[in-house]
Amino acid sequence: GNSVTQMEGPVTLSEEAFLTINCTYTATGYPSLFWYVQYPGEGLQLLLKATKADDKGSNKGFEATYRKETTSFHLEKGSVQVSDSAVYFCALSDQDMRFGAGTRLTVKP
Amino acid sequence: DAGVIQSPRHEVTEMGQEVTLRCKPISGHDYLFWYRQTMMRGLELLIYFNNNVPIDDSGMPEDRFSAKMPNASFSTLKIQPSEPRDSAVYFCASSLGTGPYNEQFFGPGTRLTVL
Repeated sequence: GNSVTQMEGPVTLSEEAFLTINCTYTATGYPSLFWYVQYPGEGLQLLLKATKADDKGSNKGFEATYRKETTSFHLEKGSVQVSDSAVYFCALSDQDMRFGAGTRLTVKP
Repeated sequence: DAGVIQSPRHEVTEMGQEVTLRCKPISGHDYLFWYRQTMMRGLELLIYFNNNVPIDDSGMPEDRFSAKMPNASFSTLKIQPSEPRDSAVYFCASSLGTGPYNEQFFGPGTRLTVL
């Protein structure tokens, strides 16, 4: 079946550092890929998405490229801020939505 | 436009008591999902509805859990009797359609503590 694997956290970075959170997927069809973010005390909200191979999703300085050849959708940001501290979930949607385990990011001033 | 609304935001109860969690999806959305989030298990899909009909309840942990959707604008998740291991954050989400292109919109969650 379809599944998502993302790097375990927690991840702690200093402000302005470069961020990468790895995500790989297994799918039999042609899924869309998503990154959701969960800020403390809130529900998940969509950060970005890509619906086909080689698409790049981007939002708020975050980017992820749908790589079919490596079955990956890694999340990157060039310069993180304290306000980016949150839990990040990679997700795959085909017939249903599958979420990764989540990666907690803490950005220190 | 209001997002997904959940109530209560926090619930503290004693073991053996009945707990009812409520959700109002985004107007016009035809899919509704109930999730449970814990540190140990992460985010788990419990059940989802399409046009008020339960489609897949395979994630419901046991018979103590039940969910209903009497109309397009309201759903409940009930735990009876509750146990300490049910302590978690419960999220409701809704979407317009399902499949590769459909984003799910999440509510703020209900934090349940069973003593």
